[in-house]
Amino acid sequence: EADIYQTPRYLVIGTGKKITLECSQTMGHDKMYWYQQDPGMELHLIHYSYGVNSTEKGDLSSESTVSRIRTEHFPLTLESARPSHTSQYLCASSVPGTNEKLFFGSGTQLSVL
Amino acid sequence: KNQVEQSPQSLIILEGKNCTLQCNYTVSPFSNLRWYKQDTGRGPVSLTIMTFSENTKSNGRYTATLDADTKQSSLHITASQLSDSASYICVVNDRGSTLGRLYFGRGTQLTVWP
Repeated sequence: EADIYQTPRYLVIGTGKKITLECSQTMGHDKMYWYQQDPGMELHLIHYSYGVNSTEKGDLSSESTVSRIRTEHFPLTLESARPSHTSQYLCASSVPGTNEKLFFGSGTQLSVL
Repeated sequence: KNQVEQSPQSLIILEGKNCTLQCNYTVSPFSNLRWYKQDTGRGPVSLTIMTFSENTKSNGRYTATLDADTKQSSLHITASQLSDSASYICVVNDRGSTLGRLYFGRGTQLTVWP
């Protein structure tokens, strides 16, 4: 079991609300990621970070933002949620030299009404 | 276009039976290929990694193969158990380094019935 935690597990909110999805890992991994996963579809990379104060956008266009102030913490924020943001959000981390072996959290299932 | 295609999309087998999941890729360059298992409501967990020079690797009842020439990989599950019910995701890494890019398949949803 990887020591990477996501909260909340489930979130139902109304349109226009600001939300923050939390992700923390205790493994000291430098690289962290946020993926979006819809049923039956592949994971899409929305943000990643090489380390503290490093953030990059992924392949999938996203209206979310991330920050990396501490190694262990990589929160994702949506300023104004919309129904199109309804999805499963997975946080992951990896160790250099492991051929990018990803350790995933259990995910946050977001529903925007 | 770099792609990872998995088949079948879904599979139902009886407990105790064997099954094989397929992964075809067009990713180039190629560094390695991982199989992940994703239980319902959880994040994926790595089962095994196949590098360019490896043909077969076993991890308990899971055996992965790789044919780098035809760009195909398979995951064989022997004597299936109810706990094998999950989505199995194939992920190809083009460079194997921190700068590498990962390409994900859509997964095969395996259901094992008693």
